Amino acid sequence: DTVLTQSPALAVSPGERVTISCRASESVSTGMHWYQQKPGQQPKLLIYGASNLESGVPARFSGSGSGTDFTLTIDPVEADDTATYFCQQSWNDPTFGAGTKLELK
Amino acid sequence: EVQLVESGGGLVQPGSPLKLSCAASGFTFSSNWLNWIRQAPGKGLEWVASINPDGSSTYYPDTVKGRFVVSKDNAKNTGYLQMNNLRSEDTAMYYCARGGYYSPSDYWGQGVMVTVSS
Repeated sequence: DTVLTQSPALAVSPGERVTISCRASESVSTGMHWYQQKPGQQPKLLIYGASNLESGVPARFSGSGSGTDFTLTIDPVEADDTATYFCQQSWNDPTFGAGTKLELK
Repeated sequence: EVQLVESGGGLVQPGSPLKLSCAASGFTFSSNWLNWIRQAPGKGLEWVASINPDGSSTYYPDTVKGRFVVSKDNAKNTGYLQMNNLRSEDTAMYYCARGGYYSPSDYWGQGVMVTVSS
């Protein structure tokens, strides 16, 4: 299985820029997607195909990367962005990262 | 509006079966893949099954292969996840989501809880 590694937690101030990383144990080309999950809610797709913004998602969110290293950027961060962010690869058997919990200072 | 609504969860004993349903609306169900994804309490997300639009191909991870069966009834706009020989480690919130094996899940249901305990 392709293992996805994310940093566990980040804390930033509103208005700042934050980057959340996801590293794959093998190349997944651009088959990487990002989701936001708030407590008690289902995940929401933010970015698909590594860098494509899902319809309706604010342009503050962006994604980049290919191969094994991927980044989700939020710029600027707003209070409502407090959530856990998961990466997921679909290059082979789908796997998810363990999630990065974003907290605002 | 795309909607996915899961049902059928509950508390079951180890070794028991359980069948989840996923009622879809707001899109052409027969033209879309369906995924099932679960999340154990306080944990991350785990893919458990995918089925192609006409139901002819299914995919599972090794953790559920041979125990879980995914299906879809395009006439009823409903997907199913038949879970057999349930184990305590299957305890989780189960989500159905529109999407495929090689693509992201773009719409998710609200989830249904399955608890396996004696």
